[in-house]
Amino acid sequence: DGGITQSPKYLFRKEGQNVTLSCEQNLNHDAMYWYRQDPGQGLRLIYYSQIVNDFQKGDIAEGYSVSREKKESFPLTVTSAQKNPTAFYLCASSEDRVSNQPQHFGDGTRLSIL
Amino acid sequence: GQQLNQSPQSMFIQEGEDVSMNCTSSSIFNTWLWYKQDPGEGPVLLIALYKAGELTSNGRLTAQFGITRKDSFLNISASIPSDVGIYFCAGRLIQGAQKLVFGQGTRLTINP
Repeated sequence: DGGITQSPKYLFRKEGQNVTLSCEQNLNHDAMYWYRQDPGQGLRLIYYSQIVNDFQKGDIAEGYSVSREKKESFPLTVTSAQKNPTAFYLCASSEDRVSNQPQHFGDGTRLSIL
Repeated sequence: GQQLNQSPQSMFIQEGEDVSMNCTSSSIFNTWLWYKQDPGEGPVLLIALYKAGELTSNGRLTAQFGITRKDSFLNISASIPSDVGIYFCAGRLIQGAQKLVFGQGTRLTINP
């Protein structure tokens, strides 16, 4: 089945630790995105990538890093610089950077602090 | 950043009732999207709107792209228990722009 796979479903981070969230898509989409969702709030954009080896900061990029070495993969690292990392993280993808096609989402990773 | 004002924030209704929610902005949008999110899962696309005035249905769901291009509404007719969840609107400000602006969500609760 085509889709977006996020792993793990749940992740725990210790103080001072970096953790990496995985996002893989087999939809052949060019564009990929990372969002953060806090309880009772909408989605806020962390980083996005419109093409392999290129990415841009979103609205809340501080304390996060990404890479886009392959079209199908867009991992997000939550660094120790992110002081409030507890949230639900959603990865999305869309067809390409020029079309008006909507974004489709994975099932999310819930990150908590130990 | 840009904001979409989504209302109401929450709704408590009886099964079988119709539901209406909307999103407004001071900016003009070229695309409106409506998503539904179940607890612990990612948002699922319900309806996509691309032209001002466009009215699109998906089963019991109907959404419209406002004529002013600054608003959109979503209606659900004859609600059923599986309609429970959080509904989000999202919009694109510029044709082809990949960044979406999201509303804060409408939490729908249904009493059987």
